[in-house]
Amino acid sequence: KNEVEQSPQNLTAQEGEFITINCSYSVGISALHWLQQHPGGGIVSLFMLSSGKKKHGRLIATINIQEKHSSLHITASHPRDSAVYICACPQGGSEKLVFGKGTKLTVNP
Amino acid sequence: KAGVTQTPRYLIKTRGQQVTLSCSPISGHRSVSWYQQTPGQGLQFLFEYFSETQRNKGNFPGRFSGRQFSNSRSEMNVSTLELGDSALYLCASRFRQNTEAFFGQGTRLTVV
Repeated sequence: KNEVEQSPQNLTAQEGEFITINCSYSVGISALHWLQQHPGGGIVSLFMLSSGKKKHGRLIATINIQEKHSSLHITASHPRDSAVYICACPQGGSEKLVFGKGTKLTVNP
Repeated sequence: KAGVTQTPRYLIKTRGQQVTLSCSPISGHRSVSWYQQTPGQGLQFLFEYFSETQRNKGNFPGRFSGRQFSNSRSEMNVSTLELGDSALYLCASRFRQNTEAFFGQGTRLTVV
């Protein structure tokens, strides 16, 4: 069983919609990472957070340490947001990241 | 400042051969981690180097090895290639532990 679970696996939205992607983890962590991967492979780090909430443009990430749950929100979604979103947690206090399976987001115009 | 650079971007090798991939981290970053991404297994941690020392290793066979040089550049080597080694290999660099990871574009390895 993967220690990091994401939902949904696939998400299709219309341009302008509010998007939520969820991530649950089973181990204690120091911080959680949200990553974005476009076709072609390159990964971009969106957020690294250990508590509360972070915002960058139309992207918002929240984490609840007690519930071992994090969410990534995209407001006013745009077709260029279409990508795979991946959450990752360091395992056992090390730098070894354990990844979720990813959420493939498609935003239609 | 320049990002993480991985070379080559694409590689085709034959079963049984060996391959070396290179990763140049962001200037000043001393930690380099390597990951394998396949459609079936997703992203998996290979190993992490910090100041030329391997600090963590994932669950991969001994055919997978790596090293880090004094300038923080890192290489990973896969010997006796198998078809299942076909994957996107990504490296990421960090300034230090518990900081943001910056990823390269990856090397897509195809084993035929």
